[in-house]
Amino acid sequence: GIQVEQSPPDLILQEGANSTLRCNFSDSVNNLQWFHQNPWGQLINLFYIPSGTKQNGRLSATTVATERYSLLYISSSQTTDSGVYFCAVARDDMRFGAGTRLTVKP
Amino acid sequence: DAGVTQSPTHLIKTRGQHVTLRCSPISGHKSVSWYQQVLGQGPQFIFQYYEKEERGRGNFPDRFSARQFPNYSSELNVNALLLGDSALYLCASSLRDTYYEQYFGPGTRLTVT
Repeated sequence: GIQVEQSPPDLILQEGANSTLRCNFSDSVNNLQWFHQNPWGQLINLFYIPSGTKQNGRLSATTVATERYSLLYISSSQTTDSGVYFCAVARDDMRFGAGTRLTVKP
Repeated sequence: DAGVTQSPTHLIKTRGQHVTLRCSPISGHKSVSWYQQVLGQGPQFIFQYYEKEERGRGNFPDRFSARQFPNYSSELNVNALLLGDSALYLCASSLRDTYYEQYFGPGTRLTVT
């Protein structure tokens, strides 16, 4: 099956800093989504982005399907951005990466 | 509009027992998928149903089964519970099959003692 690797596994930032999270996948995929999992376990949709670039406020994402990677950019981070960020790709089934745990300190 | 709902929120069962978890999709969504998330890991795909038919199955034993009802709600059943089945079980719904944009419910946290 498709392998999904996320980096870095852990990231600690000061409030206001910017960050880039990466998702690499091992084969062509039909769909790709980014999620934020809050401390209560709820997975919140950030982007549905099988290709191209999207922006939503302080967050943006880019997927380069031909090179099998996606990037999630967080600008001017806030403490409420803390949590685990997951990339998930779909072809025959849906595969999640292991996540990036982000901690934003005040 | 209501999001994906799951019940119960929490559940404690004993080894060997059976459990049924329930999921109601977003109105208009015809696809439901189930995932297991063990602490510290990403969710793992269990099943996908679309228009009441199983469209995908992950690498889980036959103790796990599911079904989708005419109103598109779904049940996940797990028989002969093992300690290792303790996890957060997540349900997701989407408009179409082929794992189109998925929206997740809050999950059911199952503890097996």
